[in-house]
Amino acid sequence: AQSVAQPEDQVNVAEGNPLTVKCTYSVSGNPYLFWYVQYPNRGLQFLLKYITGDNLVKGSYGFEAEFNKSQTSFHLKKPSALVSDSALYFCAVRVSGGRALTFGSGTRLQVQP
Amino acid sequence: AAGVIQSPRHLIKEKRETATLKCYPIPRHDTVYWYQQGPGQDPQFLISFYEKMQSDKGSIPDRFSAQQFSDYHSELNMSSLELGDSALYFCASSSRLAGGQDTQYFGPGTRLTVL
Repeated sequence: AQSVAQPEDQVNVAEGNPLTVKCTYSVSGNPYLFWYVQYPNRGLQFLLKYITGDNLVKGSYGFEAEFNKSQTSFHLKKPSALVSDSALYFCAVRVSGGRALTFGSGTRLQVQP
Repeated sequence: AAGVIQSPRHLIKEKRETATLKCYPIPRHDTVYWYQQGPGQDPQFLISFYEKMQSDKGSIPDRFSAQQFSDYHSELNMSSLELGDSALYFCASSSRLAGGQDTQYFGPGTRLTVL
């Protein structure tokens, strides 16, 4: 079975400061890891994914994530937060050969002006 | 770029009624997935289809059924609706031409309210 943990329900950061949203995973096999963002009353927007290769993955809107196999983590980062980044962020995992995504419980990011 | 289209966007039904949700995948995407997101919860996988055949099954109740048609659009049929079925239903699509590294792109969702 595969699972994802997002230990923080909410992350607060001031505009212009760096942000980190944490994600750890548990799978048997090689993980495919994803980050999605959800704005109020909107669908899930794809941000970035790790499949293989470089551990640092760059995605949309200046976001990046670092895959750490030994710590089974895939934390989302951004060097300088914007107020418009305020939203609900979901980490998701699937194994190679599988199709269904398993999501974490989500982390609400609040960026204060 | 074209995105996943879902209809209707909002649906209100009474208990024990039926509902049909529709999903139109991104052009040239061959795989469709359905997810259910309850209030304050993370999305839960229901079912997926590849080339019109069911490929994976998740926590889909027996009261629900789904299919993918020849034009690749998919419909989720829900019968004997219960209050607990009130949720946001997402459809996602992907292309297996990516060789297993495909990304699922989500539609805006259908918000179902059961009264």
